[in-house]
Amino acid sequence: ETGVTQTPRHLVMGMTNKKSLKCEQHLGHNAMYWYKQSAKKPLELMFVYSLEERVENNSVPSRFSPECPNSSHLFLHLHTLQPEDSALYLCASSQDRPTDTQYFGPGTRLTVL
Amino acid sequence: EDQVTQSPEALRLQEGESSSLNCSYTVSGLRGLFWYRQDPGKGPEFLFTLYSAGEEKEKERLKATLTKKESFLHITAPKPEDSATYLCAVQENSNSGYALNFGKGTSLLVTP
Repeated sequence: ETGVTQTPRHLVMGMTNKKSLKCEQHLGHNAMYWYKQSAKKPLELMFVYSLEERVENNSVPSRFSPECPNSSHLFLHLHTLQPEDSALYLCASSQDRPTDTQYFGPGTRLTVL
Repeated sequence: EDQVTQSPEALRLQEGESSSLNCSYTVSGLRGLFWYRQDPGKGPEFLFTLYSAGEEKEKERLKATLTKKESFLHITAPKPEDSATYLCAVQENSNSGYALNFGKGTSLLVTP
């Protein structure tokens, strides 16, 4: 595997379900990110981790819970989501400095019924 | 008010018909401006980073330029495989550091 991988690629869940999105980066980077991409809206930054420590949290509802066990893996735990949470969830990674280029994974297409 | 505005929203070109995409931004201090390409159902693919006014970068048929208020992505003699959504993002000095503020993108279609 190369670059940034995300699983699953597609997920359909009910509002009462609990699920997790997984991201893995094979680039030796130290910073990892979660973004949300909704139709007709710009990408929205959700969370940033640097060296496994959360450094940014952009007013995201508590039904989204991130976890970064090491610098190569990032999870987004989902519970009691709403239909408006349906979107493409993108993971990215970068070296570590804020100006370093962010490289994106293919995304997980989430549909909440 | 949006910090990053991309225009046009959509652009249709004939193969070989050169054009430019615009990204205008309003930030107090620019740390960097990034261009990405995104194909349907995929994540954004990095193209260029520009840091200061007057800077230019090229890659194949693409050339990105930067002024103090906007950036242009020039596409010379495009091919159908250049069809994609092009995203612009800025990083400003005043924020905590990592956030990229994205525009909504320009959807480009190049027809044979």
